Amino acid sequence: KQEVTQIPAALSVPEGENLVLNCSFTDSAIYNLQWFRQDPGKGLTSLLLIQSSQREQTSGRLNASLDKSSGRSTLYIAASQPGDSATYLCAVRIVNTGFQKLVFGTGTRLLVSP
Amino acid sequence: GAVVSQHPSWVICKSGTSVKIECRSLDFQATTMFWYRQFPKQSLMLMATSNEGSKATYEQGVEKDKFLINHASLTLSTLTVTSAHPEDSSFYICSAPGTPTYEQYFGPGTRLTVT
Repeated sequence: KQEVTQIPAALSVPEGENLVLNCSFTDSAIYNLQWFRQDPGKGLTSLLLIQSSQREQTSGRLNASLDKSSGRSTLYIAASQPGDSATYLCAVRIVNTGFQKLVFGTGTRLLVSP
Repeated sequence: GAVVSQHPSWVICKSGTSVKIECRSLDFQATTMFWYRQFPKQSLMLMATSNEGSKATYEQGVEKDKFLINHASLTLSTLTVTSAHPEDSSFYICSAPGTPTYEQYFGPGTRLTVT
């Protein structure tokens, strides 16, 4: 059974810092990995999608890497801003009994203070 | 990017009543949609996979008779919480995969409160 873990569970940093969020998964047989952000009481916003054949993806101040063999992904946020405060979720796409599924991690709650 | 909408965004109902939540893909077709539930400060848990024109597939531990799913068209899936109880109060979110990358697009969620 695929399990996805995120470390740290919570992170508080001053504005301007570069930071790394970690995601690990137990089964390397994934199709892709997606990073999301969720603001309190809101739905999910997709940040980056990495296919299993890719090593990294970049969007603005965000960079996500994927090491499928070791079951790890990292999300790097450069020059953090208070507006980055949110919960960040990683999710892996698997196929189980013929149906595709997203398995979510436990999330990292980020607070960036001005 | 693709847009998924949900209606209503929040609903309050009395214990014992039924509530229907709609999930629509606005600018793309989705033969498959997913329904998740999220309790406060917890991650998303997949409840069921909605398949257009066929029965939904439920995750272990999810009561199919309580959470009725209908995927009648390529752009609409509905989740009906039957005989709702306070423990069903939660945040319900749907998603649909886009093609060809299967990137998941999520709706804004529906906050259900059962009194």
